[in-house]
Amino acid sequence: ETGVTQSPTHLIKTRGQQVTLRCSSQSGHNTVSWYQQALGQGPQFIFQYYREEENGRGNFPPRFSGLQFPNYSSELNVNALELDDSALYLCASSLALENIQYFGAGTRLSVL
Amino acid sequence: EDKVVQSPLSLVVHEGDTVTLNCSYEVTNFRSLLWYKQEKKAPTFLFMLTSSGIEKKSGRLSSILDKKELFSILNITATQTGDSAVYLCAVFPGTYKYIFGTGTRLKVLA
Repeated sequence: ETGVTQSPTHLIKTRGQQVTLRCSSQSGHNTVSWYQQALGQGPQFIFQYYREEENGRGNFPPRFSGLQFPNYSSELNVNALELDDSALYLCASSLALENIQYFGAGTRLSVL
Repeated sequence: EDKVVQSPLSLVVHEGDTVTLNCSYEVTNFRSLLWYKQEKKAPTFLFMLTSSGIEKKSGRLSSILDKKELFSILNITATQTGDSAVYLCAVFPGTYKYIFGTGTRLKVLA
């Protein structure tokens, strides 16, 4: 077990709604990355936060946004949900400048 | 465009068999290659391979990196039903993100 915790575990929303997913990083880790994993696919990078600032972003529209708090926990917000947003959302924490990311169990989001 | 390709996409073997999973990559920059095991949801870290560490072993699992030919393999010997999972390969180009392959789904039959 990595010590990275995510909530909620499952979520069902309807198209057009907004959702907030939460992640607590492993103790001592100051960097949090978010990934989207569609069924049968590998995780796709959404963005990374370091010292409460967005440190890098993948090919996701602005309706995907995030926050990092002083205790290094993080939120992923998705506005105007679309059916294709249905996926497993994974959070990973790491120490800055270290290559190994440790993943949480994810939040399964279903958009109807 | 950076990409990571894994093969085969899925594999079914019997307990005791040896399996080899493949990962090839094309990236602009390379710092490390990582293998993860994903059983239900959380990918769990297995190995990291870099230019200075091109071979790793842990119990029945081992992995090598060929930086010249741009690929890595993950070997599992004497497979057990508990090895059934999706195995993910990721490349870290040295910026901030991992680039993942689609994974290899391994099923080990008793």
